[in-house]
Amino acid sequence: TQLLEQSPQFLSIQEGENLTVYCNSSSVFSSLQWYRQEPGEGPVLLVTVVTGGEVKKLKRLTFQFGDARKDSSLHITAAQPGDTGLYLCAGAGGGGFKTIFGAGTRLFVKA
Amino acid sequence: NAGVTQTPKFQVLKTGQSMTLQCAQDMNHNSMYWYRQDPGMGLRLIYYSASEGTTDKGEVPNGYNVSRLNKREFSLRLESAAPSQTSVYFCASSRTGGDNEKLFFGSGTQLSVL
Repeated sequence: TQLLEQSPQFLSIQEGENLTVYCNSSSVFSSLQWYRQEPGEGPVLLVTVVTGGEVKKLKRLTFQFGDARKDSSLHITAAQPGDTGLYLCAGAGGGGFKTIFGAGTRLFVKA
Repeated sequence: NAGVTQTPKFQVLKTGQSMTLQCAQDMNHNSMYWYRQDPGMGLRLIYYSASEGTTDKGEVPNGYNVSRLNKREFSLRLESAAPSQTSVYFCASSRTGGDNEKLFFGSGTQLSVL
């Protein structure tokens, strides 16, 4: 059974701080996705990483896929209150249709 | 743009009652999914429909049934609700079922079974 473990589970920081959240597995995935979910809403895709070692940037967010395609990280520079939410990583590699989700990192950025 | 629309938004059931959660997408997507989200457990796939006319079990299908009514609509039915089915349910769709496909989610149904 493929599992994705996210850490930390909860993070509360001040506006302007940097942070990194992690997504780890013992399984190899063909791609990893990061979603952000706000209260009362469904997850929204932020990025998909496909190649081992790949780095993608989305404004102040930097996503990295591990060389062995078993892990990923999300780094946020100078966090803002608008970054508050639940960050979910999701792995694919089961022949489609069966994306596996981690339990998420709940981020709270205080003004 | 509506995207994925789920109804109802909230529901309270008594043990043993039945209900159907409705989902519709207006993006002409081929694939549709039902997930449940529980604290500390992430999103778990209940059922999916790769294309119109097909449905398949996901990770946690017991106690649920689904119907892909047409390309737009995918419903989830609880025949005899149990407290263990208290959860937030999300419908999602994607253009196809490929590994890199983007999932589009509805805003969820919060279900409580007493």
